[in-house]
Amino acid sequence: EAGVAQSPRYKIIEKRQSVAFWCNPISGHATLYWYQQILGQGPKLLIQFQNNGVVDDSQLPKDRFSAERLKGVDSTLKIQPAKLEDSAVYLCASSLRVPGLLEKNTEAFFGQGTRLTVV
Amino acid sequence: QKEVEQNSGPLSVPEGAIASLNCTYSDRGSQSFFWYRQYSGKSPELIMFIYSNGDKEDGRFTAQLNKASQYVSLLIRDSQPSDSATYLCAVDSNTGKLIFGQGTTLQVKP
Repeated sequence: EAGVAQSPRYKIIEKRQSVAFWCNPISGHATLYWYQQILGQGPKLLIQFQNNGVVDDSQLPKDRFSAERLKGVDSTLKIQPAKLEDSAVYLCASSLRVPGLLEKNTEAFFGQGTRLTVV
Repeated sequence: QKEVEQNSGPLSVPEGAIASLNCTYSDRGSQSFFWYRQYSGKSPELIMFIYSNGDKEDGRFTAQLNKASQYVSLLIRDSQPSDSATYLCAVDSNTGKLIFGQGTTLQVKP
């Protein structure tokens, strides 16, 4: 079974530039997550999709970050304009989790992440 | 109050000892609880999940859940240097969000 695919692996941009990350989840996984992980911290949930609808985006800085999941499969996360403090690893994960249902063992599988450096 | 709290450590134990990692959460309606391991520069990988009060054992790992106290723990028996990593507690909240703690760094010294 193929895992979660993310691209690019690394990206260096100047502040105020824009950047986009792509994620292809495991086939059949309804839930897709984007996390931001700053060095030395735990993953911070930016946005969570259930199919192509948003479950939660309360931590997404909407003045500069946007995300979409067209057709309930692939997803893109965009930052425009980037700031120095956006330097982090951006992790995409997917799971079979369906919010509202008591699911057992609905683990999230992570991609390799995109390391973003804003200079 | 953070939704999921962990002591960031580092927690240092000698090889062969028991490592005890703790986590508290704020959403009393949370249903599922996970422990992930993250090696430096790598993505998190699942070690264990638990959703019922009590203990769950898998090899050298035991997860403990106490919903009344909103507390989850992970015990690692016979710790090995290869267990040195950051351990992340994750909670599947009542609203469906998967929230992570800040992680505890474990160092197992030979």
